[in-house]
Amino acid sequence: KQEVTQIPAALSVPEGENLVLNCSFTDSAIYNLQWFRQDPGKGLTSLLLIQSSQREQTSGRLNASLDKSSGRSTLYIAASQPGDSATYLCAVSQTYKYIFGTGTRLKVLA
Amino acid sequence: DTGVSQDPRHKITKRGQNVTFRCDPISEHNRLYWYRQTLGQGPEFLTYFQNEAQLEKSRLLSDRFSAERPKGSFSTLEIQRTEQGDSAMYLCASSLAGTGSNQPQHFGDGTRLSIL
Repeated sequence: KQEVTQIPAALSVPEGENLVLNCSFTDSAIYNLQWFRQDPGKGLTSLLLIQSSQREQTSGRLNASLDKSSGRSTLYIAASQPGDSATYLCAVSQTYKYIFGTGTRLKVLA
Repeated sequence: DTGVSQDPRHKITKRGQNVTFRCDPISEHNRLYWYRQTLGQGPEFLTYFQNEAQLEKSRLLSDRFSAERPKGSFSTLEIQRTEQGDSAMYLCASSLAGTGSNQPQHFGDGTRLSIL
């Protein structure tokens, strides 16, 4: 059974810091991995999708890497801003459904 | 592309009542998913449609839950005889059908259900 773990559960950093969020999964047979952002009381906003054949994806200040063999993904956020404060979720797809981690709650202090 | 739309945004009801939620997917998406998210947890898969066919139901979906997607467009999720444990955010997502499920899922803003 696939299990997804995210570390740390919560993170508070001063504005401008570069930071790394971690995601690990127990079964490497995945189709893709997606990182999402969730603001309080809101739905999920897709940030980056990495196919199983890819190693990384970049969008603006965000970079996500995938190491399928070790069951790990990282989301790198450069030059963090207060507007980045949210919960970040990673999800892996083995078939048509996603298995989610419990998220990392990020707070960026001005 | 107007995104995935869910209605209502919030629903407060008494225990034992029936509730129904609606999801309108992105128009060209033929796959539609329902997830449930409780406080402090990640979303959990409930059920999935390809066009009008419901292809899988999670064990989380008890007999009190039913989902439909008539004509392969919008979907409804009904909960009968609601219980306190049904309080959660119900999220809908849609995607195109792709090889090996490599298409991203796009999520709506969810319906927050509170059972009194």
